[in-house]
Amino acid sequence: GNSVTQMEGPVTLSEEAFLTINCTYTATGYPSLFWYVQYPGEGLQLLLKATKADDKGSNKGFEATYRKETTSFHLEKGSVQVSDSAVYFCALFPGSTLTFGKGTMLLVSP
Amino acid sequence: NAGVTQTPKFQVLKTGQSMTLQCAQDMNHNSMYWYRQDPGMGLRLIYYSASEGTTDKGEVPNGYNVSRLNKREFSLRLESAAPSQTSVYFCASSEGADRWSRIQPQHFGDGTRLSIL
Repeated sequence: GNSVTQMEGPVTLSEEAFLTINCTYTATGYPSLFWYVQYPGEGLQLLLKATKADDKGSNKGFEATYRKETTSFHLEKGSVQVSDSAVYFCALFPGSTLTFGKGTMLLVSP
Repeated sequence: NAGVTQTPKFQVLKTGQSMTLQCAQDMNHNSMYWYRQDPGMGLRLIYYSASEGTTDKGEVPNGYNVSRLNKREFSLRLESAAPSQTSVYFCASSEGADRWSRIQPQHFGDGTRLSIL
């Protein structure tokens, strides 16, 4: 079946630190891959996406590259801010619906 | 821009009571979804509607029913609420798949926090 595995959190960083949140997936075919972000008390918002191998999605300083050879879609940011504190979800679409990972909480301190 | 609107935002029910969660989108999207979010479980799909007039079960449909009232609205009903259904419920919508069958991003509402005593 289809599945997404994310690193467990919380990930705690100081402001301006480098961020990596790991995401690996299992799927048949060529899924589209997404990162969503959820701020406290809100719904999920699309952060970035990639639809084919070697695509790089980017938005608001975040990047993720679709690596088919390692079945990964790791999220990175060069310098995090306090306002980036949120829960991040990796998701894939191999068929008719999205499959989400369990989410990784990021806490950034000043 | 309203996007996806869910009502109510909070609700407390007693075991055995029934309730309908409402969801409406103003983006003319074809597909709509209901998820529940529980600690440590991520989001799990309850039901979805790929297009107006169709509904399909997701990963955790037991204890729920849905109605795609029209293109804008997709409601979720709990006929006899149970404590295990205490959760945060999210509605989402998307354009569906493009002509290359690639799913378009989903847009989420702010959620309904439901407690069942």
